Amino acid sequence: EPEVTQTPSHQVTQMGQEVILRCVPISNHLYFYWYRQILGQKVEFLVSFYNNEISEKSEIFDDQFSVERPDGSNFTLKIRSTKLEDSAMYFCASSDIGQPNSPLHFGNGTRLTVT
Amino acid sequence: AQSVSQHNHHVILSEAASLELGCNYSYGGTVNLFWYVQYPGQHLQLLLKYFSGDPLVKGIKGFEAEFIKSKFSFNLRKPSVQWSDTAEYFCAVNRDTGGFKTIFGAGTRLFVKA
Repeated sequence: EPEVTQTPSHQVTQMGQEVILRCVPISNHLYFYWYRQILGQKVEFLVSFYNNEISEKSEIFDDQFSVERPDGSNFTLKIRSTKLEDSAMYFCASSDIGQPNSPLHFGNGTRLTVT
Repeated sequence: AQSVSQHNHHVILSEAASLELGCNYSYGGTVNLFWYVQYPGQHLQLLLKYFSGDPLVKGIKGFEAEFIKSKFSFNLRKPSVQWSDTAEYFCAVNRDTGGFKTIFGAGTRLFVKA
């Protein structure tokens, strides 16, 4: 079964540094998402992306965050200047048609630790 | 604000016990409902979903869920759990308006004792 792949699996960075989290969605999927889960808390929606632009974003997704689809396969999340509270598990997801008609396919996540 | 509530954060059961995990949501209007499962060390994966029709939905691995519109609930059930069901279970909701945002509950960690 096709999978969403995320790299790296674990990223440690210092406060104030920029990080880029990478995702390769399922190849024929058109809708892409980032979610995060702070340890012990709920899975939170960050952003959705379709047709090379952001479709919807949450209040968490402020100016420090950006997403990009630099080529036909990768989908990245950039955090410009990390804060301690950005430490979380970040999940990429994709779906083949727009919600609500298609469930999300998730990657294994990237654990981001900001020190 | 729109939200999804899961009643239990941790559940411990013995094998063969019955399982029911509660989920309530606060959206008005038409919604689409999901249960996702995350086994230890694995990614979130779809367990079952409800869009319309029969409110009793059957998913993989013997799980089922019932949508009760009047109670804004979508509880997950399994008659007899196995050790391999040990995982974290997430209820999720999105609105049937073409929006792209799925809202997740906080999750319920299920531990099944062999």
